[in-house]
Amino acid sequence: SQTIHQWPATLVQPVGSPLSLECTVEGTSNPNLYWYRQAAGRGLQLLFYSVGIGQISSEVPQNLSASRPQDRQFILSSKKLLLSDSGFYLCAWSSVGGRIYGYTFGSGTRLTVV
Amino acid sequence: GEDVEQSLFLSVREGDSSVINCTYTDSSSTYLYWYKQEPGAGLQLLTYIFSNMDMKQDQRLTVLLNKKDKHLSLRIADTQTGDSAIYFCAESPSSGGYNKLIFGAGTRLAVHP
Repeated sequence: SQTIHQWPATLVQPVGSPLSLECTVEGTSNPNLYWYRQAAGRGLQLLFYSVGIGQISSEVPQNLSASRPQDRQFILSSKKLLLSDSGFYLCAWSSVGGRIYGYTFGSGTRLTVV
Repeated sequence: GEDVEQSLFLSVREGDSSVINCTYTDSSSTYLYWYKQEPGAGLQLLTYIFSNMDMKQDQRLTVLLNKKDKHLSLRIADTQTGDSAIYFCAESPSSGGYNKLIFGAGTRLAVHP
């Protein structure tokens, strides 16, 4: 069966520090991968999606970047965090061409920038 | 354009039925979804409905789809305190080049005794 792992679960980082959040998927190959951010009490904002290794699309301009060094690994990064980067970050995957199951989400990372 | 709208809050008494409503804009969406997010957790797929269906029932959950009005609803029968969560509606437009999902802002369901 397919599983998605996201870590760390919580993170407190000072302003100006770097960030690296990791997401891995098991039990499937060539998934579509997504990074979302959810600000407190708000909806989901799609940050990046990837349809293959090295293929990253950004939905909104921001202080963050994403990379996909391996088929089932998706990394969210920042060189210098801002206070506005605080939020709940969710990774998700979907199968290519198959819409019936929608997206499967990881358990999320709560990032607090202080 | 692509947009999904939901009311932000719903409060119900334990044992009553809850109805969460959603409107979407893309008539090409072949699947529509309901996700549940419990506090501090990721989103969990609750149910989905194919666009050629009007209704889908799954235990205490009933999904109604009105394609003409682009209106989707989720009914939870005999609502329990464990149903307290944020519920997201999502549409899946056929355009976009990848499995694009458009999410609503989420409806926070509060269940009180």
